[in-house]
Amino acid sequence: GQQLNQSPQSMFIQEGEDVSMNCTSSSIFNTWLWYKQDPGEGPVLLIALYKAGELTSNGRLTAQFGITRKDSFLNISASIPSDVGIYFCAGQREGTYKYIFGTGTRLKVLA
Amino acid sequence: GAVVSQHPSRVICKSGTSVKIECRSLDFQATTMFWYRQFPKKSLMLMATSNEGSKATYEQGVEKDKFLINHASLTLSTLTVTSAHPEDSSFYICSARGMAGRETQYFGPGTRLLVL
Repeated sequence: GQQLNQSPQSMFIQEGEDVSMNCTSSSIFNTWLWYKQDPGEGPVLLIALYKAGELTSNGRLTAQFGITRKDSFLNISASIPSDVGIYFCAGQREGTYKYIFGTGTRLKVLA
Repeated sequence: GAVVSQHPSRVICKSGTSVKIECRSLDFQATTMFWYRQFPKKSLMLMATSNEGSKATYEQGVEKDKFLINHASLTLSTLTVTSAHPEDSSFYICSARGMAGRETQYFGPGTRLLVL
């Protein structure tokens, strides 16, 4: 099935550092969602974006809907050990209820 | 956020048997539910879209006779893996799309299936 390009694939960072990851596509999306998944669990919704250029925060997390509608970014500030996990973006095209998922960014935080 | 449950959380079965997985939206009505499959260290792959009261729409390459989906009510969808084989072992996750409010989807906790 189709997937979005998500980068980086994995990251090792020190506690307290900021993190940035992004998703890109050749298609235009109407909605971008960002999820975090812990091992053996279902993804948990972090942030939802609905308009090009939209910038939304959830605590230390900030996500942006790219102005071209073909990309989205997620930033985590001042990372902590519990930020460890896999982060997925998901995009929804106009006229469909389906979401296409990114390939995931695996984040590891070193205390 | 909205709550979606899945049952069972883990199941081990013998090859050739069928396994049913339930997905429930606990505090909202879900017009649409989605079933995903996830392999270790991989992303989520959409298997099918389930709409209440109608036939599911399967993604290309997903056998509809193998993975039977029933969306009997606005809060329940079931996935039955028929005549399971070891290659069907995987992590199956459902998600639900709400009727009201802004577009989004909420995931269940997943079901790990192991076929021996």
